[in-house]
Amino acid sequence: QQQVKQSPQSLIVQKGGISIINCAYENTAFDYFPWYQQFPGKGPALLIAIRPDVSEKKEGRFTISFNKSAKQFSLHIMDSQPGDSATYFCAASSGNEKLTFGTGTRLTIIP
Amino acid sequence: KAGVTQTPRYLIKTRGQQVTLSCSPISGHRSVSWYQQTPGQGLQFLFEYFSETQRNKGNFPGRFSGRQFSNSRSEMNVSTLELGDSALYLCASSLEAGGVTQYFGPGTRLTVL
Repeated sequence: QQQVKQSPQSLIVQKGGISIINCAYENTAFDYFPWYQQFPGKGPALLIAIRPDVSEKKEGRFTISFNKSAKQFSLHIMDSQPGDSATYFCAASSGNEKLTFGTGTRLTIIP
Repeated sequence: KAGVTQTPRYLIKTRGQQVTLSCSPISGHRSVSWYQQTPGQGLQFLFEYFSETQRNKGNFPGRFSGRQFSNSRSEMNVSTLELGDSALYLCASSLEAGGVTQYFGPGTRLTVL
């Protein structure tokens, strides 16, 4: 049973535009929602994370929006750059249990 | 601080063989988790080790096993390899058990022929 659904599977955005990736979860016990960025040939790297006590968290050009009632959270990349081209994974966990990952979104930023 | 290191980076095996992958966590990190990454299934949790004990296990057959040593280094073993075991195997370390902030290594690319 997939507990974290991620969309879209792939995304093409023009340089300078806003990239938006969405995730939905089922388990209401999840209390930690990180986003990971993975470049080819590398392992995933933690990008930004949020807990359900806030609705938004911003770090530079990256923002997580969190909607607890809808059980959804999303990653917004402002002013997208070619260097942002990577695969992005959302994830969720409960307490100190394992992370459950979404299936990933391949983001391509075109000039 | 050095990051998570995994060896080897690439492996080619044939069906029926067994393989052992190694992971050295970030210094001071005591928890090591293993994941299998494939294009179709994404990142699937294999198991977590903390203080030399398996703390959590994903939904994988018994052919997949692991262990952790007293210095927190970890190995995972896959016996009787199948074609479907071809994947990128990722190791992640964190300070404590179930640590939400996990740091991933570059992975070991296993190809089973």
